Amino acid sequence: KAGVTQTPRYLIKTRGQQVTLSCSPISGHRSVSWYQQTPGQGLQFLFEYFSETQRNKGNFPGRFSGRQFSNSRSEMNVSTLELGDSALYLCASSLGGSTGELFFGEGSRLTVL
Amino acid sequence: GENVEQHPSTLSVQEGDSAVIKCTYSDSASNYFPWYKQELGKRPQLIIDIRSNVGEKKDQRIAVTLNKTAKHFSLHITETQPEDSAVYFCAEAGKIQGAQKLVFGQGTRLTINP
Repeated sequence: KAGVTQTPRYLIKTRGQQVTLSCSPISGHRSVSWYQQTPGQGLQFLFEYFSETQRNKGNFPGRFSGRQFSNSRSEMNVSTLELGDSALYLCASSLGGSTGELFFGEGSRLTVL
Repeated sequence: GENVEQHPSTLSVQEGDSAVIKCTYSDSASNYFPWYKQELGKRPQLIIDIRSNVGEKKDQRIAVTLNKTAKHFSLHITETQPEDSAVYFCAEAGKIQGAQKLVFGQGTRLTINP
């Protein structure tokens, strides 16, 4: 069974640009959640999608958005990039129950110059 | 609001000794407490979890204890080995939000000295 796949793995952008990151969950998983990982703030929840609907949202500005497609694949978008957006963006998939394991992808490392 | 405090931030132990990492949380509605291990350059992986109706859970050399009254939970690793070296994250989730919206601690970098 293939794991969670994230693309691209690395990318460099400049301030003011926008970026789209993609996540393909494990087959059969309907929930996809996104986390931002930075050395200073640790792992912070961005949002979660289940069956194409945003079910949970973290405390990030509106520049951060996402969506989920009918095949459960998800994308997140960050507009008007700031230097502080440099981070590892991790996607995780799960079956979507109230408790249960999150399966993380290897992440997309974004550097904003 | 939701908050998880994790201590210590770094921990160094001799191979074969035990390691203990502690977390406290603020949301009394939290009912799910997983621990994730992240090796250098790799993705976080679940190593053990506990639900609020259980006080302790053990899996080989790893155990987790939960004290709901005091709102803290701990990870215990016995007979540590070099491959236990990693960053460990505790997390909590509420009943409404579910396990998909995890609030993570800041992480503990565990180093096992041979």
